[in-house]
Amino acid sequence: DIQLTQSPSSLSASVGDRITITCRASQSISSYLNWYQQKPGKAPKVLIYAASSLQSGVPSRFSGSGSGTDFTLTISSLQPEDFAVYYCQQSHSFPWTFGQGTKVEI
Amino acid sequence: QVQLQESGPGLVKPLQTLSLTCTVSGGSISSGGYYWTWIRQHPVKGLEWIGCFAYSGSTYYNPSLESRVTISVDTSHNQFSLRLSSVTVADTAVYYCARDLRKGFDYWGQGNLVTVSS
Repeated sequence: DIQLTQSPSSLSASVGDRITITCRASQSISSYLNWYQQKPGKAPKVLIYAASSLQSGVPSRFSGSGSGTDFTLTISSLQPEDFAVYYCQQSHSFPWTFGQGTKVEI
Repeated sequence: QVQLQESGPGLVKPLQTLSLTCTVSGGSISSGGYYWTWIRQHPVKGLEWIGCFAYSGSTYYNPSLESRVTISVDTSHNQFSLRLSSVTVADTAVYYCARDLRKGFDYWGQGNLVTVSS
């Protein structure tokens, strides 16, 4: 299985901050990397697919980059509604796997 | 607008079989290109991909669960189902169904909490 390691596991930030979350794959996954946001009691919501493509309806302050084994999710100016848990997920090889999550707190 | 809705019991006894159904509305489950997927999330933990039924007719399972899992599709009712046999407390989780285009899971059900307990 492909292991995905996110860092940090949690971070504290303020409204307006720029934050970056990293996801590292245990082997090359080309650009088959997706990012999700999950709020308490809700299903995850896809933000970024194929490493850098913004899902329809997602604000442009979210961006993704990377290929191979190293990927980043950036929020350019944190908004109150962005405090949540973020997951990366690979769709290169079965079984699909997720990172362990990054909790973004105020 | 595509919607997915899980249904099934919220409580299952140890060693019994967990059965959940996902009903798809707003689109056909027979549409090409999709992977109809089950994912679970253990309490206060991360996400685990269980498996999927692909548009090609193939099924793919997580090796960690493969011996106990079956995913099937009922096109006449626009539904797909999950069966997980011989459950233990470790299978207690919120179970989600989702649609996958290999571009991320773009539609999800609301989640169904299943507790394994005698």
